[in-house]
Amino acid sequence: AQSVTQPDIHITVSEGASLELRCNYSYGATPYLFWYVQSPGQGLQLLLKYFSGDTLVQGIKGFEAEFKRSQSSFNLRKPSVHWSDAAEYFCAVEIGGSQGNLIFGKGTKLSVKP
Amino acid sequence: EADIYQTPRYLVIGTGKKITLECSQTMGHDKMYWYQQDPGMELHLIHYSYGVNSTEKGDLSSESTVSRIRTEHFPLTLESARPSHTSQYLCASSVLSWTSGTQETQYFGPGTRLLVL
Repeated sequence: AQSVTQPDIHITVSEGASLELRCNYSYGATPYLFWYVQSPGQGLQLLLKYFSGDTLVQGIKGFEAEFKRSQSSFNLRKPSVHWSDAAEYFCAVEIGGSQGNLIFGKGTKLSVKP
Repeated sequence: EADIYQTPRYLVIGTGKKITLECSQTMGHDKMYWYQQDPGMELHLIHYSYGVNSTEKGDLSSESTVSRIRTEHFPLTLESARPSHTSQYLCASSVLSWTSGTQETQYFGPGTRLLVL
């Protein structure tokens, strides 16, 4: 069965430092991959998505992610974190043949130190 | 910015009450979804719909029911709320695409936090 693993439950970084959030998936074919962000009390906002083509994907708010088929990973990165980036981040993979149904990871909570 | 709305945002209710969580989108999206999210946990799909008069159960078994009488509206109902139903419920919508290699983004509403006493 397809699954998404986010190994880090909670990460704290200093403002201005770089960030990498890990995501591993289990899926037989090339997946459609997504990163969403959820601020407290809010719904999910799409940061970026990968369907095919260039394995380095640019998203909103200065985020990028790289698809590595050999490692079954889709890690999210940002070169310089801002205090407003503090939120929960969810990686998701589309279930094959489901026309859009997603499986989500458990999320990584990001805290930003001043 | 996506236009998808959920009401109420917060609901505290007693055991045994019937509740309906509302979800509306103004984007004309065919596909709509309901997810359940417990604190610190992943989102689980509980219901989805391909369009009017279509409803399907998701991966997580739920005692709730849904209906899709209008494209823009996808309400979720609990006939008799229980404390185990306490959770956050997120609604989403997307354009339905049957063409392989294309996938439209799911847009999420702000969620309804439900507390059943």
